[in-house]
Amino acid sequence: DGGITQSPKYLFRKEGQNVTLSCEQNLNHDAMYWYRQDPGQGLRLIYYSQIVNDFQKGDIAEGYSVSREKKESFPLTVTSAQKNPTAFYLCASSMGSLQETQYFGPGTRLLVL
Amino acid sequence: QKEVEQDPGPLSVPEGAIVSLNCTYSNSAFQYFMWYRQYSRKGPELLMYTYSSGNKEDGRFTAQVDKSSKYISLFIRDSQPSDSATYLCAMSSAGGGSYIPTFGRGTSLIVHP
Repeated sequence: DGGITQSPKYLFRKEGQNVTLSCEQNLNHDAMYWYRQDPGQGLRLIYYSQIVNDFQKGDIAEGYSVSREKKESFPLTVTSAQKNPTAFYLCASSMGSLQETQYFGPGTRLLVL
Repeated sequence: QKEVEQDPGPLSVPEGAIVSLNCTYSNSAFQYFMWYRQYSRKGPELLMYTYSSGNKEDGRFTAQVDKSSKYISLFIRDSQPSDSATYLCAMSSAGGGSYIPTFGRGTSLIVHP
């Protein structure tokens, strides 16, 4: 079955620690996205990538980093510079053209110890 | 003023009721309109996709777009307890060469038996 997988489902971060969230897709989509979802605030774009080896900052990129070395993978690192990382993180992908919609993974919930 | 406004609810209705969910927006360049359904602690799933103005029907779901009023709606007929979820509207424009939708905050719907 084609789809987007995210791991882990839950992640715990200690103070000062960097953590990496995994996102993999087998939909052959060109574009991939990372969103953060906080209660009552909807989805906020962190980073997006339209092609391999290229990515752009979204609205709330500070304290996060990404890489896009393979078409199928778009990992997100939450660095120690992100002072309020507790949230639900969603990865999405799309064909990248204007008429294609985004498909979302199941999400990763990040909690701070 | 946010680009996309959506009442967070919760909206509580009895089983079998007709549900109306709405979003307003300020950017007249938006041409692509989507509705996503998100169950608790899950990723959003695409429900409806509409281009420009008009109506689109899919089973119990009808999406309406009124570009003159900058207002979109999702109607759910014969609502079921399984429809209880958060409904997110999203929209995008054709400019910029990339597909980055703007999301509403989501409306929480509760359908009680």
